[in-house]
Amino acid sequence: DVKVTQSSRYLVKRTGEKVFLECVQDMDHENMFWYRQDPGLGLRLIYFSYDVKMKEKGDIPEGYSVSREKKERFSLILESASTNQTSMYLCASRGGDLGGVNYGYTFGSGTRLTVV
Amino acid sequence: GDSVTQMEGPVTLSEEAFLTINCTYTATGYPSLFWYVQYPGEGLQLLLKATKADDKGSNKGFEATYRKETTSFHLEKGSVQVSDSAVYFCALSVDFGNEKLTFGTGTRLTIIP
Repeated sequence: DVKVTQSSRYLVKRTGEKVFLECVQDMDHENMFWYRQDPGLGLRLIYFSYDVKMKEKGDIPEGYSVSREKKERFSLILESASTNQTSMYLCASRGGDLGGVNYGYTFGSGTRLTVV
Repeated sequence: GDSVTQMEGPVTLSEEAFLTINCTYTATGYPSLFWYVQYPGEGLQLLLKATKADDKGSNKGFEATYRKETTSFHLEKGSVQVSDSAVYFCALSVDFGNEKLTFGTGTRLTIIP
C-alpha cells in the first residue's frame, strides 16, 4: 500500500515564525497535495504539484508556499505564521490514472499546527 | 465551479440502525465520486468510489450509487457498528486533467451501543 508520511503530528509555533511541514510518499506518485481541514469548512486545497519543481495554487494559497525538489517529497511553508493558520494540515498523493480510472488519493495522518 | 453538498451533522445512531448520509454535487465535467472516512486522530481513508453513472461503490458494508439524474451519491449502510463512528466526507474529482478533489464539509457520525 501507498504510504504518505507527515513529519510531525503536532506542532506549536509562534506568530511570525517560518514553518515547514514535510510530506513524503513512497509509491512514486506524480501528484501531491496540501489541504487544510477546519471544522464546518471541510478540506480546502492550498497547493498541489503534478511533477518535480511544478506547483499550482489551490483555493486558498495566500500565506503559504510549497517546494517539490524531489518526487517523493512535498513541503508546505508558512512564510510568517499567523494565528488564523492554526489548523489541521493534510498531505495527499495520487498516481496517474490506470486505464482512465481515477483511484483517488492517499492521505497522511495530518499535522495539527497551533500558532500562538 | 465544482462543489459538493453533504448532510450536516452530527448524526447519532444506535448500533444496528440504518444509515444514510446525503451527498449531492455540481460539476462542469464528468466527475468521479468518492466517500472518504476519517477515524479519530487519523488522516482520511478512501472508503469507496464510483467513476461513472449508475456505478455502485461498496466497501465494509457501506454502499453508494452514482446517480447522474439527481446528481447524488448518498452513503448507506444497513446496520452500523460502534466502530463506524467517524467523520465522513463526500468528494468529487473531474477526470482527465483536473487532479483536484473537491470535498464536502464532512458529517460526524457517532454510534451508540
